[in-house]
Amino acid sequence: NAGVTQTPKFQVLKTGQSMTLQCAQDMNHEYMSWYRQDPGMGLRLIHYSVGAGITDQGEVPNGYNVSRSTTEDFPLRLLSAAPSQTSVYFCASSLDTPYSSYNSPLHFGNGTRLTVT
Amino acid sequence: KNEVEQSPQNLTAQEGEFITINCSYSVGISALHWLQQHPGGGIVSLFMLSSGKKKHGRLIATINIQEKHSSLHITASHPRDSAVYICAVSDSGGSNYKLTFGKGTLLTVNP
Repeated sequence: NAGVTQTPKFQVLKTGQSMTLQCAQDMNHEYMSWYRQDPGMGLRLIHYSVGAGITDQGEVPNGYNVSRSTTEDFPLRLLSAAPSQTSVYFCASSLDTPYSSYNSPLHFGNGTRLTVT
Repeated sequence: KNEVEQSPQNLTAQEGEFITINCSYSVGISALHWLQQHPGGGIVSLFMLSSGKKKHGRLIATINIQEKHSSLHITASHPRDSAVYICAVSDSGGSNYKLTFGKGTLLTVNP
């Protein structure tokens, strides 16, 4: 199993450009999520999905869109990049939701470092 | 929204020392996660707890639900344990699909 694969690893955008961060997992996980990590702050949830066709907003969803057409893929779209979106982005998946009493650890991708100039 | 506090923020130890990292939260939870992030690297899940204690190798995680507190212990620390350790919780209330993260504890273990 490849686990959680995130692409690209690095990206530089100009203000106003759009792009899609890709996330794929091959573990048949139902729960997938996107986070951003900024210096001095904890990881913050952008969007999440509890299964194909189901998505919902997290703590900081503005400026981002997601879709979940298949169990495997959960792309994150930046509609019109802004310097405030400069961050490191992580995708994560788990077999069940994070609150489940079932032992369902999160599996993270290696991250995408995005710079918006 | 749950508030998650980790202490200490930074910790420097000598190889072989016993390490404790603490995590406190403000609202009742359904599960707590401990994660490890190496410098410039990805994030790895260490433990997921809803009660009691778990052990994996030299790592031990405990949780006290009544006191809203969890600890991560590392026995016989080694330089390869140097990393940021992150605590995350999922609320037992309506937002239980979402995780709230602490800011992390930077551990440096010197040889």
